[in-house]
Amino acid sequence: KAGVTQTPRYLIKTRGQQVTLSCSPISGHRSVSWYQQTPGQGLQFLFEYFSETQRNKGNFPGRFSGRQFSNSRSEMNVSTLELGDSALYLCASSQQTGEDEQYFGPGTRLTVT
Amino acid sequence: QKEVEQNSGPLSVPEGAIASLNCTYSDRGSQSFFWYRQYSGKSPELIMFIYSNGDKEDGRFTAQLNKASQYVSLLIRDSQPSDSATYLCAVGEGSSASKIIFGSGTRLSIRP
Repeated sequence: KAGVTQTPRYLIKTRGQQVTLSCSPISGHRSVSWYQQTPGQGLQFLFEYFSETQRNKGNFPGRFSGRQFSNSRSEMNVSTLELGDSALYLCASSQQTGEDEQYFGPGTRLTVT
Repeated sequence: QKEVEQNSGPLSVPEGAIASLNCTYSDRGSQSFFWYRQYSGKSPELIMFIYSNGDKEDGRFTAQLNKASQYVSLLIRDSQPSDSATYLCAVGEGSSASKIIFGSGTRLSIRP
């Protein structure tokens, strides 16, 4: 079974721009969660989508948004990029049918200059 | 603010010994607990999960959960240099694991 895939793997953007990251979950997994990882803050929960609905949200500003499609693929968008948004963005999928283990993709390394 | 606490380390253990990693959490309602291993520059890899009090063994790894003490630990037997990594403790918020809170991780170094 193929793992979680994320595209692109690396991205360089300029302050003020916006960016869209994509995540394809493991086949059969209906839940997709997004995390931001930085050296200073560690792994921080952004949001979780299940059946195209945002079910949980972390403490991030409204510039961070996401959505999930009917095939469970998910996208995350960050608008008006700031230097502090430079991070590794990770997506994780789980079945959420009593089996709650989350499996991570390889991540997207975003650099904002 | 629900929290997951880990000692940042580094924890240095000789090859072949037992490495013991510990984690405490604040949410008494949490029902699901995970250990992830993360190598430098890579994404976290799930190595153990536990939902019930007691011990759960998988190969060289044993996860231990004590909900009364809000404590979860990971034991690695016969430590190998390839076990050198950062170990992240993660706890599901409340009764669901749809939102998971991560600790800051413990850096483990296995010395030959």
